[in-house]
Amino acid sequence: AQTVTQSQPEMSVQEAETVTLSCTYDTSESDYYLFWYKQPPSRQMILVIRQEAYKQQNATENRFSVNFQKAAKSFSLKISDSQLGDAAMYFCAYRSAYQGGSEKLVFGKGTKLTVNP
Amino acid sequence: GAVVSQHPSRVICKSGTSVKIECRSLDFQATTMFWYRQFPKQSLMLMATSNEGSKATYEQGVEKDKFLINHASLTLSTLTVTSAHPEDSSFYICSARLRENQPQHFGDGTRLSIL
Repeated sequence: AQTVTQSQPEMSVQEAETVTLSCTYDTSESDYYLFWYKQPPSRQMILVIRQEAYKQQNATENRFSVNFQKAAKSFSLKISDSQLGDAAMYFCAYRSAYQGGSEKLVFGKGTKLTVNP
Repeated sequence: GAVVSQHPSRVICKSGTSVKIECRSLDFQATTMFWYRQFPKQSLMLMATSNEGSKATYEQGVEKDKFLINHASLTLSTLTVTSAHPEDSSFYICSARLRENQPQHFGDGTRLSIL
């Protein structure tokens, strides 16, 4: 079974600074997707960024980028120029890309990010 | 685009009551929706995969008769917690995706409190 581990229960960053959230995962599959979701206090889960395992290039979305290390099974999220609105729980998630297989998302336990003004 | 609406956002009811939660995809058709449960300060755990026009697929350890799922149309899935008890109190979140391999989009969640 796949597992996702987020080793940082809480992180804090100063506004306008950069912060990196860690995520490691365990799988025997070669093709899969990795995601970072953001859950603000309003509770709605919002997709931040997605990475296909077959792509070597790291995904980027504006101020959000990932460092995907397939061999190390590591998938960290970097938030640049942090803003107060970035404060939230961040969840790393894994999904198999096996055709016809389960689309189950396996989540880590989350990292609570605080942005200090 | 890809908006998922969940209703109600909060329910407080007595033990023994059955509670129905709706999940709607507002601007796309979703043949598959997903129901997750989240305990305080914990991660989301998939309960079941809801398939339009067929039976839901439940994860191991999830009681089918306790958590009834109906996916009657391409835009609506319902989760009914039957004879709810205090241990069923939790945050329930649904998600939907447009096509296979597309990202899941989540609803706002339902906070269920059983007294």
